[in-house]
Amino acid sequence: QVQLVQSGAEVKKPGASVKVSCKASGYTFTSHYMHWVRQAPGQGLEWMGIIRPIGVSTTYAQKFQGRVTMTRDTSTSTVYMELSSLRSEDTAVYYCARARGTYSTDAFDLWGQGTLVTVSS
Amino acid sequence: QSALTQPASVSGSPGQSITISCTGTSSDVGGYNYVSWYQQHPGKAPKLMIYEVTNRPSGVSNRFSGSKSGNTASLTISGLQAEDEADYYCTSYRSSSTQVFGGGTKLTVL
Repeated sequence: QVQLVQSGAEVKKPGASVKVSCKASGYTFTSHYMHWVRQAPGQGLEWMGIIRPIGVSTTYAQKFQGRVTMTRDTSTSTVYMELSSLRSEDTAVYYCARARGTYSTDAFDLWGQGTLVTVSS
Repeated sequence: QSALTQPASVSGSPGQSITISCTGTSSDVGGYNYVSWYQQHPGKAPKLMIYEVTNRPSGVSNRFSGSKSGNTASLTISGLQAEDEADYYCTSYRSSSTQVFGGGTKLTVL
């Protein structure tokens, strides 16, 4: 079954870091870019960045540069998104989303179920 | 990085057609044919409805169609059905592997 399964909900204190995982199955992991998108409560979708499935290439939205790190483990078909220096505004559902093909321009055709990250003192 | 501009809400009656616009700039919507549209029901992950301006993924109803003129892309839903009630988001490739979303449009089926 083609799917992306994300790690469970997290509660963090301001200033802490969070690392969310996204495990792919049912398709060739190395053939698709992966994006991360977040959605604050009651708000719209926000693109965070993209990681190539092979190599070390990443591109982050300017807003998150310096605070976000995306990595992948091809041996387990898993991508990770780590966000540091958390603040209350980072409370959101975080999604991984697969690009349709092998280009960074491709649309997001497969989404994880989302991981709620709550930042609260 | 400014988001693409979408109307906050649109509405229509069952059987009617509606159009949602998505306005960007020549650096994103107008400069590339990489506009896509997503449907999101409450509490669910988004679903791809249109990619590369006009293409429908397998399994998406042909009642959904996309177009673009200049810096504005549009999603049209014909023959509105109750299950179309959802939030809709556009996104566009911007440059250097970056993407940008629209602010989202809430579709109400009256």
